[in-house]
Amino acid sequence: DAGVIQSPRHEVTEMGQEVTLRCKPISGHDYLFWYRQTMMRGLELLIYFNNNVPIDDSGMPEDRFSAKMPNASFSTLKIQPSEPRDSAVYFCASSEGANNEKLFFGSGTQLSVL
Amino acid sequence: KQEVTQIPAALSVPEGENLVLNCSFTDSAIYNLQWFRQDPGKGLTSLLLIQSSQREQTSGRLNASLDKSSGRSTLYIAASQPGDSATYLCAAPEGGATNKLIFGTGTLLAVQP
Repeated sequence: DAGVIQSPRHEVTEMGQEVTLRCKPISGHDYLFWYRQTMMRGLELLIYFNNNVPIDDSGMPEDRFSAKMPNASFSTLKIQPSEPRDSAVYFCASSEGANNEKLFFGSGTQLSVL
Repeated sequence: KQEVTQIPAALSVPEGENLVLNCSFTDSAIYNLQWFRQDPGKGLTSLLLIQSSQREQTSGRLNASLDKSSGRSTLYIAASQPGDSATYLCAAPEGGATNKLIFGTGTLLAVQP
């Protein structure tokens, strides 16, 4: 398996624009997680899915953020409208089962909002 | 609410030295704890996963221990090498049966050749 695949690798956009981040989890993994990493706040869980269903979205900062998982092999994280404070590295991760099996991370998307 | 703390924030050692990284957590009602490695500009790689029923877990030169009663975990790296240079993070579940991992801020390790 190629691991967790994220795209794009880098995204530079202007304030107010819509940003869509994409993730393909490892095949067979039932859990998918979106994390955000910044120097100030470290790694924060934004939302996670189990079998394509959102389970906990309490980490989503505000209504400008939304995430979907239309099928087992694809998820998106959308920010609309984007703001400079959204600049961060966004990671997608997946795991095989419940009880926190090993987490496998993608390489991340470096987002810069100007 | 789970809080995870890692000490030290940064560590520099000469090659060949044995070292210990520390992780503490506030909510001991966890069923496992994970240690990760992050290289610059990369994602995280899971190194070791310790179940609450275990006291330690080993992989090669790495050994992780877990003491739930004291809310502590340690990562021991034997005979360190320059290739071990990275940021090491520990993560504990928020509490109970949850998949929500709370990460520490990490220890930045530099192994000098």
